[in-house]
Amino acid sequence: DAKTTQPNSMESNEEEPVHLPCNHSTISGTDYIHWYRQLPSQGPEYVIHGLTSNVNNRMASLAIAEDRKSSTLILHRATLRDAAVYYCILRGLNNAGNMLTFGGGTRLMVKP
Amino acid sequence: GAGVSQSPSNKVTEKGKDVELRCDPISGHTALYWYRQSLGQGLEFLIYFQGNSAPDKSGLPSDRFSAERTGGSVSTLTIQRTQQEDSAVYLCASSLGTEQETQYFGPGTRLLVL
Repeated sequence: DAKTTQPNSMESNEEEPVHLPCNHSTISGTDYIHWYRQLPSQGPEYVIHGLTSNVNNRMASLAIAEDRKSSTLILHRATLRDAAVYYCILRGLNNAGNMLTFGGGTRLMVKP
Repeated sequence: GAGVSQSPSNKVTEKGKDVELRCDPISGHTALYWYRQSLGQGLEFLIYFQGNSAPDKSGLPSDRFSAERTGGSVSTLTIQRTQQEDSAVYLCASSLGTEQETQYFGPGTRLLVL
């Protein structure tokens, strides 16, 4: 599976936007970019995913670079509840087993 | 609707004992996954069930680990002769089973082997 690279940690102030970067320079043409997050003492939860076009949902936005070698998860107004580890994951169409391959993720800290 | 549930939420056992961890997936989800997360580490895939197909066991760390899924629903992960390095949070997830489908995770079972 193609690898992703994320900063270990980031800090944000409450009610400010947060941009979480992810590099995936070896992404293949059929790899989707998925984001999950894991709140403290909970299982991971789905945030958003996309292939080429930018995506928006109620939780976040996903901006995908034109060459698809990087992407950015955008939280428009961070809340204290958004403090979590955010994982950027590539999932190929032919991903045998369909399991998620988690890297180290980015630990987001939100300051009041 | 009900999400993925796991039991027990916490389990303390002695080294050498066997443990069973249970996962109840979301109704109608044909795919079921087990992952584990050691302290301060990322999630590691263990095993995957899809419908009636043979499970993908490629992530199991040793032959002390096994899992079954009865009737295409509930799954049990069994660890025999537990070791201290088995201490971790064991997470179960389920999905509709098709590619790119969202995986829904349970709260996990925190296992401590003394």
